[in-house]
Amino acid sequence: EAQVTQNPRYLITVTGKKLTVTCSQNMNHEYMSWYRQDPGLGLRQIYYSMNVEVTDKGDVPEGYKVSRKEKRNFPLILESPSPNQTSLYFCASSRSWASGSSTDTQYFGPGTRLTVL
Amino acid sequence: QQQVKQSPQSLIVQKGGISIINCAYENTAFDYFPWYQQFPGKGPALLIAIRPDVSEKKEGRFTISFNKSAKQFSLHIMDSQPGDSATYFCAASMMNAGNMLTFGGGTRLMVKP
Repeated sequence: EAQVTQNPRYLITVTGKKLTVTCSQNMNHEYMSWYRQDPGLGLRQIYYSMNVEVTDKGDVPEGYKVSRKEKRNFPLILESPSPNQTSLYFCASSRSWASGSSTDTQYFGPGTRLTVL
Repeated sequence: QQQVKQSPQSLIVQKGGISIINCAYENTAFDYFPWYQQFPGKGPALLIAIRPDVSEKKEGRFTISFNKSAKQFSLHIMDSQPGDSATYFCAASMMNAGNMLTFGGGTRLMVKP
């Protein structure tokens, strides 16, 4: 089954304790991205990757890191989480970085709800 | 500031009625406008999308209307069903700027039986 998986699905942590949220896709997609979803703000892109070893900042990259060492994996790293990073996080992937058609649609994972105390 | 503004934030419609969600954008370079549907506990999923060279696109009960001069687009759900109850997001992107989606704030739709 074609899918994007994220782990963990729920995480409660404390300020300053480094954490990693993993993301994996089995569709051989080139493009992967991370979003955070906050009430009233919709989804905002954190980082994206057009291919292996190619990453770039989205709209809200502060406090986050990513890496793309393999095509299928795109982990999100919070080196020193703070309470304002409490949010619902989504990983997404698409066949290519070129938008504009349904074949390049982004497929979203199930989400990771993070609470930073 | 949000580049894509979505309204209303919440919407209650009777079964069989028409649900209408509106979005307005600022950046005239946007050239792809998808709508995503999100059920509780799930990630968003593409519902329908439109390019600015057409004014309307219909897929089943779902229709996008696009007004380029007004920089507005809307989603119409005809014959709304309880199973349509979900959060809907409009989005916009630029083809020459990669696959970076800018989302509206979302609309929580409830269809009453």
